[in-house]
Amino acid sequence: DAGVIQSPRHEVTEMGQEVTLRCKPISGHDYLFWYRQTMMRGLELLIYFNNNVPIDDSGMPEDRFSAKMPNASFSTLKIQPSEPRDSAVYFCASRLFDGNTEAFFGQGTRLTVV
Amino acid sequence: TQLLEQSPQFLSIQEGENLTVYCNSSSVFSSLQWYRQEPGEGPVLLVTVVTGGEVKKLKRLTFQFGDARKDSSLHITAAQPGDTGLYLCAGGRGVQGAQKLVFGQGTRLTINP
Repeated sequence: DAGVIQSPRHEVTEMGQEVTLRCKPISGHDYLFWYRQTMMRGLELLIYFNNNVPIDDSGMPEDRFSAKMPNASFSTLKIQPSEPRDSAVYFCASRLFDGNTEAFFGQGTRLTVV
Repeated sequence: TQLLEQSPQFLSIQEGENLTVYCNSSSVFSSLQWYRQEPGEGPVLLVTVVTGGEVKKLKRLTFQFGDARKDSSLHITAAQPGDTGLYLCAGGRGVQGAQKLVFGQGTRLTINP
């Protein structure tokens, strides 16, 4: 398996534009997590899915953020409209049902909003 | 408010020294994991501890889970430059145990040759 795949690796956009980040989890994994990492706040959990269903979105900062998982092999995180304070590295991770197993992370998407 | 507090946030020591980093919380966790992150990459799992008081060793790294399952420590013996990186602890919480995985802010470790 190629691991968790995220795209794009880097995204530079202007304030007010819509941004869509993509994630392909490892095949067979039941859980998918979206995190945001900044120097100030560390690695924050935004939302996570179980079997394609959103379980906890309490970490989503504002209504400008939305996430979907239309099927077991694809998820998106959308920001509309984007703001400079959204600049961060966004990670997607997946893991098997057993909660004590490893969470496998993608390489992240570095988002810069200017 | 950070659910998991890591200390120190930054640590720079000489090769060959020993060090300990801490991960503390007021909450009980089903499990505690330690990850290491390199620049430009996602975190990679080092170890998972599940039982209160559990100790696990990974070569020169020793991990301990507190008796009350609220805290953990990572001890490195004879640190090497290859140990440099961001060390993150992560706690599992959820209705059925460890579904929700939350991270501490991390300890940025630098080992100088």
